[in-house]
Amino acid sequence: DIQLTQSPSFLSASVGDRVTIACRASQDISTSLAWYQQKPGKAPKLLIYSTSALQSGVPSRFSGSGSGSGFTLTISSLQPEDFATYYCHHLNSYPGTFGPGTKVDVK
Amino acid sequence: QVTLRESGPALVKPTQTLTLTCTFSGFSLNTPGMCVGWIRQPPGKALEWLAVINWDDDKFYNTSLETRLTISKDTSKNQVVLTMTNMDPVDTATYYCARLVYGDAAFDIWGQGTLVTISS
Repeated sequence: DIQLTQSPSFLSASVGDRVTIACRASQDISTSLAWYQQKPGKAPKLLIYSTSALQSGVPSRFSGSGSGSGFTLTISSLQPEDFATYYCHHLNSYPGTFGPGTKVDVK
Repeated sequence: QVTLRESGPALVKPTQTLTLTCTFSGFSLNTPGMCVGWIRQPPGKALEWLAVINWDDDKFYNTSLETRLTISKDTSKNQVVLTMTNMDPVDTATYYCARLVYGDAAFDIWGQGTLVTISS
C-alpha cells in the first residue's frame, strides 16, 4: 500500500501568515491527491482535489501543488477560521490512505 | 443537496460484530462514477481509510483490515452497510461515511460521523 507522510506534524502560526504543509507519498501517485481540513468534533471538509483543484466554496487563499510523490498545501494568508488539522489523502490506486495530519495552531 | 448519515450502535462488546449503515440522499449509487466509502478516526488520532464501494458493486478494502470488513449497498434504499467482525477496544473510533466521486478521487461530502465504543 502507498504510505503518506506529512510535515510538519505541528505548526504554530499567526493570522496573516503564509502557511505551507508538505505531503510525501511512498511512490508515484501522479496527481491523485486531496487535502482536507478538520476542526475538533467535526467531519473533515474537502479543500483541494486532484492536487490543485479548489473544491466549490473553498476560499482562494487555499492552493495545492505538486506531482509524483511530493505535494504541498498553501494558505496564502492564514485566517482565524483556518486553525485546524489538515490531512492529505491519495486515491491513485486502491486502497487509499490518509496522511497523519498537520495541526495548525495559534502562535 | 447531497447528505449522508451514519447509524449504528454506540457501544459494542469485544469480539462482537459491528454493523453500520450509511443512508444517503441527493445522488444515486447507480450513477457511473459514484462511490461511497467508510473512514474512521480513533479519539485524538488520524483518519483511517476503511472501505469503498462503487456504482458497479466493486469493493475495495484497507489491506490490514480486509479480513474483518464487508461493505455492501442497497441502491433501492440508498444505503451502504459496513460490517466489521471481531471488534476490539482499539477499534473505538468515530466512523464516517462519505461520497467519493471517482474522477476526482476525493471524498467530497461527509456524514457527521458516529462514535462507536468497544467495551465490555
